[in-house]
Amino acid sequence: QVTLKESGPGMLQPSKTLSLTCSFSGFSLSTSGMVVSWIRQPSGKSLEWLAAIDWDGDKYYNPSLKSRLTVSKDTSNTQVFLKITSVDIADTATYYCARAEVYYSGWDYWGQGVMVTVSS
Amino acid sequence: DVVLTQTPPTSSATIGQSVSISCRSSQSLLDSDGNTYLYWYLQRPSQSPQLLIYLVSKLGSGVPNRFSGSGSGTDFTLKISGVEAEDLGVYYCVQGTHDPPTFGGGTKLELK
Repeated sequence: QVTLKESGPGMLQPSKTLSLTCSFSGFSLSTSGMVVSWIRQPSGKSLEWLAAIDWDGDKYYNPSLKSRLTVSKDTSNTQVFLKITSVDIADTATYYCARAEVYYSGWDYWGQGVMVTVSS
Repeated sequence: DVVLTQTPPTSSATIGQSVSISCRSSQSLLDSDGNTYLYWYLQRPSQSPQLLIYLVSKLGSGVPNRFSGSGSGTDFTLKISGVEAEDLGVYYCVQGTHDPPTFGGGTKLELK
């Protein structure tokens, strides 16, 4: 059974660094083709793809945010991390991690999302 | 970035009615490898999105066959043949042909 779960600080102040963790089970990120992405959704709005890391350790970033994003994974291939530096109010959103078995298959499993509020 | 425009923004349907949602792209989504990376997701209230359709017309695992996708180039359609209560929520089209992947603005399906 594939599951993903995001965790994060809940609330943080502007200019700080946001650290998110995606913990998953039921698959391994070392499996050829596997990709885990980070996607966010401000309340009541559409979604925005942020970053991804694949089975081979290759990393992909949204160019509009690339300078502020770092995606990584742990050596056991059961967790993926996302750091966003210099957060501001516009980064307030629900953050999801989602997996794709291969690059063309779509995000077939999603976490429940973690809400992050940036506020002073 | 590629802009995906979904119409209508809101659709009202009765149970059993068929509905169609349009997704128009600002650029062709036909990739040089011959694939068209266009996807459809449903986000039910207070839930995470779920995959319905990948590569324009391929049904995701466990997705009922009342859902179908079609289209090419810049114009795509999701059709629900016989809406059921569990289909209510917001539908998003997503493109993966051009970097970065982008989402449409969403179409909310409501009960009439």
